[in-house]
Amino acid sequence: DAGVIQSPRHEVTEMGQEVTLRCKPISGHDYLFWYRQTMMRGLELLIYFNNNVPIDDSGMPEDRFSAKMPNASFSTLKIQPSEPRDSAVYFCASSQQETQYFGPGTRLLVL
Amino acid sequence: QKEVEQNSGPLSVPEGAIASLNCTYSDRGSQSFFWYRQYSGKSPELIMFIYSNGDKEDGRFTAQLNKASQYVSLLIRDSQPSDSATYLCAVNRGGSARQLTFGSGTQLTVLP
Repeated sequence: DAGVIQSPRHEVTEMGQEVTLRCKPISGHDYLFWYRQTMMRGLELLIYFNNNVPIDDSGMPEDRFSAKMPNASFSTLKIQPSEPRDSAVYFCASSQQETQYFGPGTRLLVL
Repeated sequence: QKEVEQNSGPLSVPEGAIASLNCTYSDRGSQSFFWYRQYSGKSPELIMFIYSNGDKEDGRFTAQLNKASQYVSLLIRDSQPSDSATYLCAVNRGGSARQLTFGSGTQLTVLP
């Protein structure tokens, strides 16, 4: 299996621009998680889905952030408009049981 | 109080020594416990998980769980320079909840 796939791997954008991060979970996994990691706050859960349905979005920082999972093999995390404080590494993870498997991450820099 | 706390380190041990990484959690109802390793610039990767009180061994790694003390640890025997990484403790509440709560991680350096 190819593992969790994320794109892009790196993104540099200017404040105010829209950013879309993409994730393909491991085939057969019915849970998908979006995390953000920074030096100051560590690894934070933003939102997670079960069978394409959002279960808990309490970690989404504000309305500028949105996430969708239109089908079992694809999810997006969108930031609109982006701000410099959104600069972080964003990880997608998927699971079938309790163990979560992480993708390589997207390193986002908002100037 | 943070939900999951780890000794932040950094922790340095000589090659061949035992590295001991500790983690405490606040939710007494937590059911499952995970240790992830994260190399600099990489994503977290699972080392092992533990559900029951006691020890669980996997190669050079041993996870120890004490639910009464709300404490979980990871021992790395015969530490190697390649073990140098940040180790993340994660806790799951169990039941229908699938989210993990992560500690801030302990940075380990194994000195040749």
